[in-house]
Amino acid sequence: AQSVAQPEDQVNVAEGNPLTVKCTYSVSGNPYLFWYVQYPNRGLQFLLKYITGDNLVKGSYGFEAEFNKSQTSFHLKKPSALVSDSALYFCAVRDMDDKIIFGKGTRLHILP
Amino acid sequence: DADVTQTPRNRITKTGKRIMLECSQTKGHDRMYWYRQDPGLGLRLIYYSFDVKDINKGEISDGYSVSRQAQAKFSLSLESAIPNQTALYFCATSVGAGANVLTFGAGSRLTVL
Repeated sequence: AQSVAQPEDQVNVAEGNPLTVKCTYSVSGNPYLFWYVQYPNRGLQFLLKYITGDNLVKGSYGFEAEFNKSQTSFHLKKPSALVSDSALYFCAVRDMDDKIIFGKGTRLHILP
Repeated sequence: DADVTQTPRNRITKTGKRIMLECSQTKGHDRMYWYRQDPGLGLRLIYYSFDVKDINKGEISDGYSVSRQAQAKFSLSLESAIPNQTALYFCATSVGAGANVLTFGAGSRLTVL
């Protein structure tokens, strides 16, 4: 079955430092991968997706993600964290039935 | 107005009561979904619908039912609510097949006492 794993419940990063939020996946065939962000009291918002092509995908708010097929990973990155990046981040994958399956989420805290 | 609207935004009810959460969209999307969010468990899919005549169970459909009244409307019902159905519920929509992005509503927070 298709699945994604987010191994960290929480990530703390100092403002201005680079950040990484980890995601690994398990799929049959070529993966369609996504990152979403949830700010407090809000619904999820799309950040970026990988379908095919370049392994480095750029998205909203300066975020990017690196697809690594050999490591079955799709880590979310940003070169310089902002306090406003503090939120809950979800990795997701499209499964064989064409529906989207989410990971458990990683809470990102950016420390001033 | 929001592209995906959920009502009610907050609801407190008692065990055994019937509850309906409603979702409407102005995106013109074919596909609609109901997810449930619990702390530490992420989002889990309850039901999904790829068009008006198509309804599918997700991973946690027990205790829930849905109705796709029109392309733009997708309702989630709890026939007899129980406390472990206390959660944040999200409706989402997407265009047809392929790696299409989900558009989420703002969520409906349900508390079952």
